[in-house]
Amino acid sequence: SAVISQKPSRDICQRGTSLTIQCQVDSQVTMMFWYRQQPGQSLTLIATANQGSEATYESGFVIDKFPISRPNLTFSTLTVSNMSPEDSSIYLCSVLGDGETQYFGPGTRLLVL
Amino acid sequence: AQSVTQLDSQVPVFEEAPVELRCNYSSSVSVYLFWYVQYPNQGLQLLLKYLSGSTLVKGINGFEAEFNKSQTSFHLRKPSVHISDTAEYFCAVSTGGSYIPTFGRGTSLIVHP
Repeated sequence: SAVISQKPSRDICQRGTSLTIQCQVDSQVTMMFWYRQQPGQSLTLIATANQGSEATYESGFVIDKFPISRPNLTFSTLTVSNMSPEDSSIYLCSVLGDGETQYFGPGTRLLVL
Repeated sequence: AQSVTQLDSQVPVFEEAPVELRCNYSSSVSVYLFWYVQYPNQGLQLLLKYLSGSTLVKGINGFEAEFNKSQTSFHLRKPSVHISDTAEYFCAVSTGGSYIPTFGRGTSLIVHP
């Protein structure tokens, strides 16, 4: 399976600011995804990051709040914009691997004060 | 659309005892089933998956799961747990071609010495 890294691993931010999270994969992958895991909750898909085109967002998530870039087949970024304390979560990127299986990065732990 | 129910939010167990974490799903079409583990302050790691074939699936760290189509279940088992198995366990289901699994709410396995 692919090796996935994320930066930063954690951050503490002030409300109203923005944070960009990077996801790097050690091999080319067709599909990359961004998830949010709120405290004590399960995973919620934010969007599918499409290479060379706009991301596909799930219901309840919008591009202005969570802009996503996917410049190539090994890299993607997620920005959390104009943050509020409700954005405090773990943000995870994942890739689609063999057997229609998703593999996850280590996550970015965000606390908004 | 598919859904996943993890019947237990928390399962306490003593070290070296057997454990079963329950997962039931609903779907009108054939499914792929997954178990992921999330250790404290880490991302999700794939434990095992069922795509087709034998209904008994063996995974990493001594875990196994059995796909029961008639009961729409995919329970996770381990005959003897270790302290290091303390973690959050997520069951997930996807349907062929969707690539995006639906996750359960998670079961916290707490192994006591």
